Amino acid sequence: RKEVEQDPGPFNVPEGATVAFNCTYSNSASQSFFWYRQDCRKEPKLLMSVYSSGNEDGRFTAQLNRASQYISLLIRDSKLSDSATYLCVVILMFSGGYNKLIFGAGTRLAVHP
Amino acid sequence: NAGVTQTPKFQVLKTGQSMTLQCAQDMNHNSMYWYRQDPGMGLRLIYYSASEGTTDKGEVPNGYNVSRLNKREFSLRLESAAPSQTSVYFCASREGHNTGELFFGEGSRLTVL
Repeated sequence: RKEVEQDPGPFNVPEGATVAFNCTYSNSASQSFFWYRQDCRKEPKLLMSVYSSGNEDGRFTAQLNRASQYISLLIRDSKLSDSATYLCVVILMFSGGYNKLIFGAGTRLAVHP
Repeated sequence: NAGVTQTPKFQVLKTGQSMTLQCAQDMNHNSMYWYRQDPGMGLRLIYYSASEGTTDKGEVPNGYNVSRLNKREFSLRLESAAPSQTSVYFCASREGHNTGELFFGEGSRLTVL
């Protein structure tokens, strides 16, 4: 089983739609969580961190469910420019301060007119 | 702001050839990383340098070597390229090994024939 799993998609949605992605992680010791965005043939860029209480940044809302071991990303009022691949990132913390970043394979979103 | 710069952006090699991917960051970050990204898989860590003067193996180090030349520069070398090393390579940096956002270079697309 992969340590971090995402539905690869693609999610094809019309402009203005609301779309949600989930990301599940297998290690309950996971400490920190992030969503990165990657445009086609570009580098990943940080979209937002995911906090335990949930957090919002404009049209984007991130949630964490530790009990079920998943994080989610909700995009409201989708724009054409939201078309990209969304990568889930989980950080495992180990003793001695060492940490390990684990990337999901990404969920592809295609927003159409 | 250049951020993380990696060269070359594209390279085609024949099996057995060697090459070095160069990476430089101008953000005064302590930690630098080399990842590879393959279809259907998350970014996988090849090697990292938590601080100047140190390097450590990541998840998939076989067939690669690295050099942390100074605080700014971290190179990745393929001594004898194999078709399995066909991939997109990303260099990344962050403030510390346990802190800060991960910033990526634009990627290097390598094809090994």
